[in-house]
Amino acid sequence: QKEVEQDPGPLSVPEGAIVSLNCTYSNSAFQYFMWYRQYSRKGPELLMYTYSSGNKEDGRFTAQVDKSSKYISLFIRDSQPSDSATYLCAMTLRGYQKVTFGTGTKLQVIP
Amino acid sequence: EAGVVQSPRYKIIEKKQPVAFWCNPISGHNTLYWYRQNLGQGPELLIRYENEEAVDDSQLPKDRFSAERLKGVDSTLKIQPAELGDSAVYLCASSSQGATYEQYFGPGTRLTVT
Repeated sequence: QKEVEQDPGPLSVPEGAIVSLNCTYSNSAFQYFMWYRQYSRKGPELLMYTYSSGNKEDGRFTAQVDKSSKYISLFIRDSQPSDSATYLCAMTLRGYQKVTFGTGTKLQVIP
Repeated sequence: EAGVVQSPRYKIIEKKQPVAFWCNPISGHNTLYWYRQNLGQGPELLIRYENEEAVDDSQLPKDRFSAERLKGVDSTLKIQPAELGDSAVYLCASSSQGATYEQYFGPGTRLTVT
């Protein structure tokens, strides 16, 4: 079993839809949870990170962490064609520790 | 503020040839990472530097890969000799010290070994 599991998709949604992207993990010691967006032939771009449980919002993006279920989510409201990309979840134990990435979910937002 | 700079962006070489990648991190970032990303996969850490010191190189195939970060700023990753299985995107990232949860990536170097 991989430490971090992420559905590879692709996930296709119409423009304006609410998108839900998810990851599950096995290591209950993870404390920091990150979401990266990666456009084709580009490097990953950090969207946001959260520490421990709870929600964090940044514009149209909301990250949720449920440590009891070992489940994290990224919600995108009012999705746009420019949101079409691969979304990688990532997590780490603490600030000096190695980061474990998911395999990424490919999202396509249809105009 | 300039982001992480990598060069070259693309490289095609024949197997058994050497290749080198260069990275310039974000100014002030003490920590530098080299990752390899295969198609359809997440990045996998090859080596992490804290200033000039390599603090995690457990996943670096040391028989053919080497890296250096002289003066604690720029870094070079080398493969010699390259194998077909080394074809991948090589990503460089940087962060403030102790902030592995806030890494900033460069555009990557896409390596094709023929």
